[in-house]
Amino acid sequence: QKEVEQDPGPLSVPEGAIVSLNCTYSNSAFQYFMWYRQYSRKGPELLMYTYSSGNKEDGRFTAQVDKSSKYISLFIRDSQPSDSATYLCAGVNTDKLIFGTGTRLQVFP
Amino acid sequence: NAGVTQTPKFQVLKTGQSMTLQCAQDMNHNSMYWYRQDPGMGLRLIYYSASEGTTDKGEVPNGYNVSRLNKREFSLRLESAAPSQTSVYFCASSTGGVSYEQYFGPGTRLTVT
Repeated sequence: QKEVEQDPGPLSVPEGAIVSLNCTYSNSAFQYFMWYRQYSRKGPELLMYTYSSGNKEDGRFTAQVDKSSKYISLFIRDSQPSDSATYLCAGVNTDKLIFGTGTRLQVFP
Repeated sequence: NAGVTQTPKFQVLKTGQSMTLQCAQDMNHNSMYWYRQDPGMGLRLIYYSASEGTTDKGEVPNGYNVSRLNKREFSLRLESAAPSQTSVYFCASSTGGVSYEQYFGPGTRLTVT
C-alpha cells in the first residue's frame, strides 16, 4: 500500500465551480501535509501546507486535514481555467516528502 | 535569482550509455533532492543530500549515483542506462531541517531506447 493515495483524475469542472481534491494516507508519523501544483511540462510548485490537523485558508484555496480518518483535502473556490494543472499532495516524514500520484484538474470556460 | 536550474532539458540515450544530470541552486539552500516522475507513480525520491558533503538513498536509488559537488550543485549519474530509467527527473532544494518547502527545477526528460 502506498503511503499517500490520490485519485489520478482527470477531474473536469466548469469555471466558477468549487473543486475538492482529496488524498488518503497511511503513515501516522506524518508531521505536515503539502499541496503542490504542477503545470504541464513544468516542475511542481508549493501551493499550501498544513500541520497534522485542522484547516488553512489562502485566498481561494483551503487545505484541510482530518487526522482521525487520515484524509487530506484541498478546496478551490471560484475555479478558473488558470487552475488547470496537476495537484500533488504530500506527507512530510522527518526530512522527506512522500508524494501521492497527483490529480489532473481541468477547468473549462 | 534563477532558483533551481537543470541541464539538459531533454536527452535520448541508448541502453548501456552513461550520462550525468546537472542541478544547481542559487538560494543558499542546505538540502538538495533528486526525484523521478512516472505516469501513475507520482514523484519518487532517488537520492538526497541534507547538507554539503552528505548524501543518502531515497526510495528508488538503484542504478543511480549522486555527487554533492558543493553547496550549490548536486548531480545525478546514470552509469549504464536502462529503458526502465526513461522518466522525467526533477531536482529540488530546501533550506533543510523542516523540509516541507522544496523548490523544484524545470525537469529533464530522459528517454532510454
